[in-house]
Amino acid sequence: AQSVTQLGSHVSVSEGALVLLRCNYSSSVPPYLFWYVQYPNQGLQLLLKYTSAATLVKGINGFEAEFKKSETSFHLTKPSAHMSDAAEYFCAVSDGGGNEKLTFGTGTRLTIIP
Amino acid sequence: DAGVIQSPRHEVTEMGQEVTLRCKPISGHDYLFWYRQTMMRGLELLIYFNNNVPIDDSGMPEDRFSAKMPNASFSTLKIQPSEPRDSAVYFCASSLTSGTFYEQYFGPGTRLTVT
Repeated sequence: AQSVTQLGSHVSVSEGALVLLRCNYSSSVPPYLFWYVQYPNQGLQLLLKYTSAATLVKGINGFEAEFKKSETSFHLTKPSAHMSDAAEYFCAVSDGGGNEKLTFGTGTRLTIIP
Repeated sequence: DAGVIQSPRHEVTEMGQEVTLRCKPISGHDYLFWYRQTMMRGLELLIYFNNNVPIDDSGMPEDRFSAKMPNASFSTLKIQPSEPRDSAVYFCASSLTSGTFYEQYFGPGTRLTVT
């Protein structure tokens, strides 16, 4: 069964600084990987997805993530944090082998320091 | 597209009462998922449907919870009787497997408070 681990339940960065949110996955088959963002009092919104077409994936709002098979990682980055990036971020995995369920990580709450 | 629609957005009820949450998936999507989110337990998958048929309900906490999908455009999650520990945000999500990679689209959620 696949799983994801998000390192750090809370991350704080200064406005303008690099954002790095960590996600490691476990899957017996090549996975599909996703990052979702949840703003306060809202549902989860898809940021980006990896589906094996390219290892570096660009998403909305300037975020990107790199799939590294050797490290079983799919970390989310943004070069310069903005106040509006404050939210909770979830990594998710699907094995894509007819398993339609997504397995979500426990989430990382990102705080932006002015 | 209107996205996934959930109603009500907020529900406050007393312990013992029946609660019904509603969801309209994105038109054409063939999978529908019900999740529950709490501070303590995070995001939990309760049940999901494919073409209106329940596929996996192993996440449903107990017999007080039931879900139905009478047609492709409507699903309900019912709690009867409700208990304070059911207080949570309940999300509905839908996905389309044909030509996609299983990404799910979430509704805004229903915040349930049981007093």
